[in-house]
Amino acid sequence: DTAVSQTPKYLVTQMGNDKSIKCEQNLGHDTMYWYKQDSKKFLKIMFSYNNKELIINETVPNRFSPKSPDKAHLNLHINSLELGDSAVYFCASSQEGRGFWGTDTQYFGPGTRLTVL
Amino acid sequence: SQELEQSPQSLIVQEGKNLTINCTSSKTLYGLYWYKQKYGEGLIFLMMLQKGGEEKSHEKITAKLDEKKQQSSLHITASQPSHAGIYLCGAETGSIIIQGAQKLVFGQGTRLTINP
Repeated sequence: DTAVSQTPKYLVTQMGNDKSIKCEQNLGHDTMYWYKQDSKKFLKIMFSYNNKELIINETVPNRFSPKSPDKAHLNLHINSLELGDSAVYFCASSQEGRGFWGTDTQYFGPGTRLTVL
Repeated sequence: SQELEQSPQSLIVQEGKNLTINCTSSKTLYGLYWYKQKYGEGLIFLMMLQKGGEEKSHEKITAKLDEKKQQSSLHITASQPSHAGIYLCGAETGSIIIQGAQKLVFGQGTRLTINP
């Protein structure tokens, strides 16, 4: 059973296109995240949702729009793709998304490798 | 903002040898996570450390958090090809009150290669 799944695994597209990445978790968690890993392997948070509500919105271009139809799903839509958007995008989930309690481990999906040509 | 520095950035060891990866934080660590990344498989959670001096082990991997809670190390004993991958340390930041506000700030990763 896959705990956190993402589709597609690979996405190759032209500059200027609009694309979406989907994420689903079957862990019953309340919080889901999107992280971006750039070519230098730095992994940085983009967004978090708790029970369908946007909580974290880092400094991300507004071409990126996350949507959470229910607490088990978090999708990422990207408009007008640019070369610099090429990266691996990871979805993650955790029970509550509150730190310092030692129980809220984030579990990651396999990633979506996006290549913009 | 909190920053994590991992060393070394790349490590090649002979199968069967021991190795250590370090993670140093610019601020006190309140929760330090170790993950392993294999190509196409996402990040696999290894261990989480919280208290100064804490040490945890899983199979041949041991992680420690120093007393001052600013440095963590990951030690692999008798390395095997299955240990190859990128190891990432992540520090917990964000609110303890607001659900969904927990963020992980990651180091740049250590790429481990095991030679047979």
